Amino acid sequence: SQTIHQWPATLVQPVGSPLSLECTVEGTSNPNLYWYRQAAGRGLQLLFYSVGIGQISSEVPQNLSASRPQDRQFILSSKKLLLSDSGFYLCAWSRTDVVYFGAGTRLSVL
Amino acid sequence: GQNIDQPTEMTATEGAIVQINCTYQTSGFNGLFWYQQHAGEAPTFLSYNVLDGLEEKGRFSSFLSRSKGYSYLLLKELQMKDSASYLCAVGSYNTDKLIFGTGTRLQVFP
Repeated sequence: SQTIHQWPATLVQPVGSPLSLECTVEGTSNPNLYWYRQAAGRGLQLLFYSVGIGQISSEVPQNLSASRPQDRQFILSSKKLLLSDSGFYLCAWSRTDVVYFGAGTRLSVL
Repeated sequence: GQNIDQPTEMTATEGAIVQINCTYQTSGFNGLFWYQQHAGEAPTFLSYNVLDGLEEKGRFSSFLSRSKGYSYLLLKELQMKDSASYLCAVGSYNTDKLIFGTGTRLQVFP
């Protein structure tokens, strides 16, 4: 069966510091991978998605970036965090149509 | 573009039936998805409709009318644990991504 691992679960970072969130998927090959963000009390916003190694599509202009160095690894990064980057970050994968989510990382930028 | 509308909040009583509606606009429709999200947790997949009609899964059912751009999630024999947000999402053949509505927060009272 397929599993998705995302870490850390919670993160508190100062404004201007860098960010690296990592996500890995097990039990499948060549999945589509996604990063979503959910601000407090708001809906899921798609940030990035990837259909293969090195292929990244950005949905929203921002100071975040994503990379896919391996087939089942997806990384979300920032060089300098802003207060507005606070939120619940969710990595997800799909192989056919259904999207499955990791447990999420709650990021607080102070 | 894509647009998804669903009510922001609903309340219901334990043991009752509740229907959560979702209307959508998209090109290249490739499925209507329902997810459940408890507070502070990641969304979990509930149901998927790609053809018109009703799909039943235990206490939960989902209906789709593609010509009307309309779906609903029906929850029967409500339990306290059903208190959560319910997210409607639409897939498109034109993209490899799932776009989510802002979710309906359901509160079940004893």
